[in-house]
Amino acid sequence: SQQGEEDPQALSIQEGENATMNCSYKTSINNLQWYRQNSGRGLVHLILIRSNEREKHSGRLRVTLDTSKKSSSLLITASRAADTASYFCATDELSFGAGTTVTVRA
Amino acid sequence: GAVVSQHPSWVICKSGTSVKIECRSLDFQATTMFWYRQFPKQSLMLMATSNEGSKATYEQGVEKDKFLINHASLTLSTLTVTSAHPEDSSFYICSARDSGGGGQPQHFGDGTRLSIL
Repeated sequence: SQQGEEDPQALSIQEGENATMNCSYKTSINNLQWYRQNSGRGLVHLILIRSNEREKHSGRLRVTLDTSKKSSSLLITASRAADTASYFCATDELSFGAGTTVTVRA
Repeated sequence: GAVVSQHPSWVICKSGTSVKIECRSLDFQATTMFWYRQFPKQSLMLMATSNEGSKATYEQGVEKDKFLINHASLTLSTLTVTSAHPEDSSFYICSARDSGGGGQPQHFGDGTRLSIL
C-alpha cells in the first residue's frame, strides 16, 4: 500500500520561481526521502531526512519534516527548466506516492 | 556517487518470450535490491525485495513464478519475466541499497521499458 502521498499532483511555474510540494504519510517512520524522476528514467535521490530532523538543505532544495502531522515538504528555490521532472517522496518502507509533476517554463 | 546499472534499457519482444533484466551495483555492495514496476504517469509499485543468497520477498499480488528473481552476488540481481504477455508491458526499475548501514538511500537504475507485442 502507498505510504507517501504527494500534493499537488502537478505544478507549473515560471523559471526563477519557487516550487513547493507536500508529502503526507500514514505510519511512524525512521526517515523520509525525496527523489526526482526525469521522464522515462530512473529515480535520483535528492535528500534523506531522519525522523529527528525538522529541516534539511541541499543546494536549492529545502526539505521539512513534521512528524506530528506526518507530513514533509520539498521546496525548490529559483527553479530552472532543468528542474522539470516528477518528484516523489518515500518512507523507509519503500512506499512511493504518485508524485508531483513539476513543469518549469522558460 | 553510487551507481546502479540496469540492462537492457528497452526490450520489444513477442508474446510468450521470457525476458531477463539485470541490475548491477557498480561501486558498492548491495545485500538487498528492489524491483519496481511503473505504469505511465503513476507511482512506482514495489514488486519484490531481492536478498543476496536467499529467496526474494514478493509483495502481495505479485506472482513469484511469473517474475523470477535471482540475487546470486552482492552486486547483481536479475528479474526474469517468464512467458511475457502484453499486460506485462511496463517500465521496470531496480534499486540497490548500500550494505554499509541503516538509513542509506536507494540508488536506482535507469529502468527497462518492456513492450510485449
